[in-house]
Amino acid sequence: QIVLSQSPAILSASPGEKVTMTCRASSSVSYMHWYQQKPGSSPKPWIYATSNLASGVPARFSGSGSGTSYSLTISRVEAEDAATYYCQQWSSNPLTFGAGTKLELK
Amino acid sequence: QVQLQQSGPELVKPGALVKISCKASGYTFTSYDINWVKQRPGQGLEWIGWIYPGDGSTKYNEKFKGKATLTADKSSSTAYMQLSSLTSENSAVYFCARGGPLGAGDFDYWGQGTTLTV
Repeated sequence: QIVLSQSPAILSASPGEKVTMTCRASSSVSYMHWYQQKPGSSPKPWIYATSNLASGVPARFSGSGSGTSYSLTISRVEAEDAATYYCQQWSSNPLTFGAGTKLELK
Repeated sequence: QVQLQQSGPELVKPGALVKISCKASGYTFTSYDINWVKQRPGQGLEWIGWIYPGDGSTKYNEKFKGKATLTADKSSSTAYMQLSSLTSENSAVYFCARGGPLGAGDFDYWGQGTTLTV
């Protein structure tokens, strides 16, 4: 199965800072999807097909990548962005998720 | 609006089985697959499998074959996941999620989750 490795595991940022988190796949994938999850809630679709923002996602978020390396960038972090972000692939069975990057605000 | 409403929390004994439901509304149930995802406390997400209600076809993560059985009732727009021979390792929150419309392998709507305690 394709293993997705997310880094860093924990990302600490100040409001207004630009941050990037990465997702590396053990084999090449066609697309990467991203979800945001806050404690006690279900995951929310955040970025689909590598670079498309889901409905309602602020424009300060962006996604990019290809092959085995993908990233999610926040141009200027805000307090409401504190959450865990998971990447996900389904180019190959089984569908797999990364272990998540927890974004903490300073 | 699209909604996936899951059944309530379950407390079951080891060795028992449980059936969790996911009632869909706001779209044509038979046109989108329903996936099931497991999340253990403080841990990440694990895909269990999917069912396409249109024809009842299923696909399972090998890890969950023999543990999970996915079904769908078109008449009530409800998907079900049955888990058997339960152990403490099966204690988790289980989510249902709809496959996205582009067929890119993403999930565009999620249920609120069902907590299973064994």
